[in-house]
Amino acid sequence: DQQVKQNSPSLSVQEGRISILNCDYTNSMFDYFLWYKKYPAEGPTFLISISSIKDKNEDGRFTVFLNKSAKHLSLHIVPSQPGDSAVYFCAASDASGTYKYIFGTGTRLKVLA
Amino acid sequence: NAGVTQTPKFRVLKTGQSMTLLCAQDMNHEYMYWYRQDPGMGLRLIHYSVGEGTTAKGEVPDGYNVSRLKKQNFLLGLESAAPSQTSVYFCASRTGGGQPQHFGDGTRLSIL
Repeated sequence: DQQVKQNSPSLSVQEGRISILNCDYTNSMFDYFLWYKKYPAEGPTFLISISSIKDKNEDGRFTVFLNKSAKHLSLHIVPSQPGDSAVYFCAASDASGTYKYIFGTGTRLKVLA
Repeated sequence: NAGVTQTPKFRVLKTGQSMTLLCAQDMNHEYMYWYRQDPGMGLRLIHYSVGEGTTAKGEVPDGYNVSRLKKQNFLLGLESAAPSQTSVYFCASRTGGGQPQHFGDGTRLSIL
């Protein structure tokens, strides 16, 4: 049972345009969400997070939106740059004290120059 | 700044062999995790630890054992390797309070 889903395995975007990566979750107890970026042969690196008490969080070119009623979050990258080409994972955690972060399957973003 | 260091980076094993993967962090983090990454499966949690001397099972713990004898080290053991355990293994650590995880660069393990 996949509690965190990224239904788009890949996405291609032109440089300078907006990239939108989507993530859906099923567990209503999740209250903290993160996005990680992964380059080949490296470990994932933290990008941005959002708590369930917010519906938006921005950090430079990266914005995460959370729609709790739809159990959906999205990552917007504006403007997209070739260096953003990577695999993006969303992850979620709950407040039950389990300390576990559940990851989605990832979306491979390719930014075309 | 070393962060999270995984040893070894690559390894090839024969079915039935045993080995231990080492994860070391120098950030004084309480929580440590072992994940495996397989194509189309994302990162799946194998085991984790919430402090020195503690371990707990994740989503896919079968065939693996772990130990956290020292706060900075988290060991992942395969007692009898199977081809289904061919994967890339990532270790991560974090502080408390819902902070993000810091990952190592992974160990690529092939079991023939």
